[in-house]
Amino acid sequence: AQSVTQLDSQVPVFEEAPVELRCNYSSSVSVYLFWYVQYPNQGLQLLLKYLSGSTLVKGINGFEAEFNKSQTSFHLRKPSVHISDTAEYFCAVDTGGGNKLTFGTGTQLKVEL
Amino acid sequence: EAGVTQSPTHLIKTRGQQATLRCSPISGHTSVYWYQQALGLGLQFLLWYDEGEERNRGNFPPRFSGRQFPNYSSELNVNALELEDSALYLCASSFPGYGYTFGSGTRLTVV
Repeated sequence: AQSVTQLDSQVPVFEEAPVELRCNYSSSVSVYLFWYVQYPNQGLQLLLKYLSGSTLVKGINGFEAEFNKSQTSFHLRKPSVHISDTAEYFCAVDTGGGNKLTFGTGTQLKVEL
Repeated sequence: EAGVTQSPTHLIKTRGQQATLRCSPISGHTSVYWYQQALGLGLQFLLWYDEGEERNRGNFPPRFSGRQFPNYSSELNVNALELEDSALYLCASSFPGYGYTFGSGTRLTVV
């Protein structure tokens, strides 16, 4: 069975500062990894995904993530955050069988002036 | 390209009633997934439909059911509503392995 752990439930950060949101997964097979963002009262929007190839993945809104197989991690980073990045971020894993996405519990990013 | 559309956006029902939620996937996507996002419980997988068949379901009672139509749109039915069914219900569609595109959700409130 696969699982996803997002260790930080909340991350406060000042505007223009860098941020890292942590995600660790467990799976006995190859995985596809995703980060989604959810703004208040909205659905989930795909930020980026890792399917194969380069372990550094670039997404929308200046976010990037690095797949680290040995550490089973897929941390999300942004070098300089903006107030508009305030949202909840979800890491998810799919073992590729079209079975289902398993989500982490989410990290609330709060960007302050 | 139109995204995943869900209707209605908000739904208020009384305990014991039935709720029907609808989802239209992105054109060409054959798989539809339903998730429940209840306060404090995160995103819980409900159902997966592909090519008109139910392929998998999460740990929910049988009063949560649905179907997928020949045009790949889908319906989620919740019978005998309970207060704890109040949640945001999200639908997503995909080609397997390529990530899911989510709709904006239906906010179900049971009173």
